[in-house]
Amino acid sequence: EVQLEESGGGLVKPGGSLRLSCAAAGFTFSHAWMNWVRQAPGKGLEWVGRIKSKSNGGTTDYAAPVKGRFTISRDDSNNTLFLQMNVLKIEDTAVYYCTTDGGYDYECHFDNWGQGTLVTVSS
Amino acid sequence: QSVLTQPPSASGTPGQRVTISCSGSSSNIGSNYVYWYQQIPGTAPKLLIYRINQRPSGVPDRFSGSKSGTSASLAISGLRSEDEGDYYCVVWDDSLRGPVFGGGTKLTVL
Repeated sequence: EVQLEESGGGLVKPGGSLRLSCAAAGFTFSHAWMNWVRQAPGKGLEWVGRIKSKSNGGTTDYAAPVKGRFTISRDDSNNTLFLQMNVLKIEDTAVYYCTTDGGYDYECHFDNWGQGTLVTVSS
Repeated sequence: QSVLTQPPSASGTPGQRVTISCSGSSSNIGSNYVYWYQQIPGTAPKLLIYRINQRPSGVPDRFSGSKSGTSASLAISGLRSEDEGDYYCVVWDDSLRGPVFGGGTKLTVL
């Protein structure tokens, strides 16, 4: 059974930094493409970014609102996905979900989701 | 404002058929696969329909998807109370170079 567990959320001031983790189990993490998707309180879903498997180049893609501030990385030896968030803004307040990806370019196949971790950016 | 347009709400009585629309453009729905996700209140989203009209294992055949031009639809037949929740369409946008979600549709079973 696929399991994804996010951690690292919390309260941070505008301009601050936070690193989220997503511990994965139940599948071959090193082969998986992974995403971060967020949901502001009471709002809809927003894609944050993606990292491909190392065998597919390990490349990353980001949504425009976070590009240059957020960095996705992975530790395949520990089956963990990361989201480093810098220069946080109030509008980054959201529940952050990690998801697996079907591994197809130009598609949105988020087949497994974690339970999410809440990030609150406030002074 | 979302790149993909969904009605904010939809409703139906048990047993009825409901459809939820998703309107986009040539750079997204017109050229890529549409996906649908279901989010029951208090839970994480779940993949409901992939590649326009395919259902993952475990999703009842009451759920179906379709596409025509730059619009897509999700149909739910034999509506049940447990279908209440939010439904999102999402598709890769060639111009934005990433997935774009619709604003979501809140489904109420009356």
